[in-house]
Amino acid sequence: GAGVSQSPSNKVTEKGKDVELRCDPISGHTALYWYRQSLGQGLEFLIYFQGNSAPDKSGLPSDRFSAERTGGSVSTLTIQRTQQEDSAVYLCASSPPKGGYEQYFGPGTRLTVT
Amino acid sequence: AQSVTQLGSHVSVSEGALVLLRCNYSSSVPPYLFWYVQYPNQGLQLLLKYTTGATLVKGINGFEAEFKKSETSFHLTKPSAHMSDAAEYFCAVSDRGGAQKLVFGQGTRLTINP
Repeated sequence: GAGVSQSPSNKVTEKGKDVELRCDPISGHTALYWYRQSLGQGLEFLIYFQGNSAPDKSGLPSDRFSAERTGGSVSTLTIQRTQQEDSAVYLCASSPPKGGYEQYFGPGTRLTVT
Repeated sequence: AQSVTQLGSHVSVSEGALVLLRCNYSSSVPPYLFWYVQYPNQGLQLLLKYTTGATLVKGINGFEAEFKKSETSFHLTKPSAHMSDAAEYFCAVSDRGGAQKLVFGQGTRLTINP
């Protein structure tokens, strides 16, 4: 079946611009996660959606970062007024409602802020 | 807060030799434990997981890991390395109780020498 998909695969933007990153989870998966992978910080949790519950935003590094999940499926991560330190690979993952608790990752979006 | 330590950011072994990648976690309550592999320019792929039951778990590609509560460890092994095993490996933990965010180790880059 189809895995987690993310778009775009690469994004180059100028400092100060806003960007939107998209994630399509595996159909039927109720939990959706965003992580950031950077050379200096490794893999960091950003935000987590579970069904209709309020999202866990505890990993968002600043108020320039926000995310939404529409209709319990597609999610968009928005970064406003991008800074060079936002350059990283942004990974999305989803997990099913029952079972082994593993997360299935998408290929990521590589964001470069110039 | 949970933390994960992977001993050795780079490990190099010869083809056919034993692979041993070390992972220790900090929680006093045993978490769920995972090993993920990342090939260049790809997302993360689950190798294996421990949630409950048998402490020796087998995963894909001939890898296995053993949960040792007394040592708070979850080391990854493979009896005989193959060139295709060259990748970056991440140990991760999550709290028990359903879908939860992952906390990752810093990763270990595995190189296989011919």
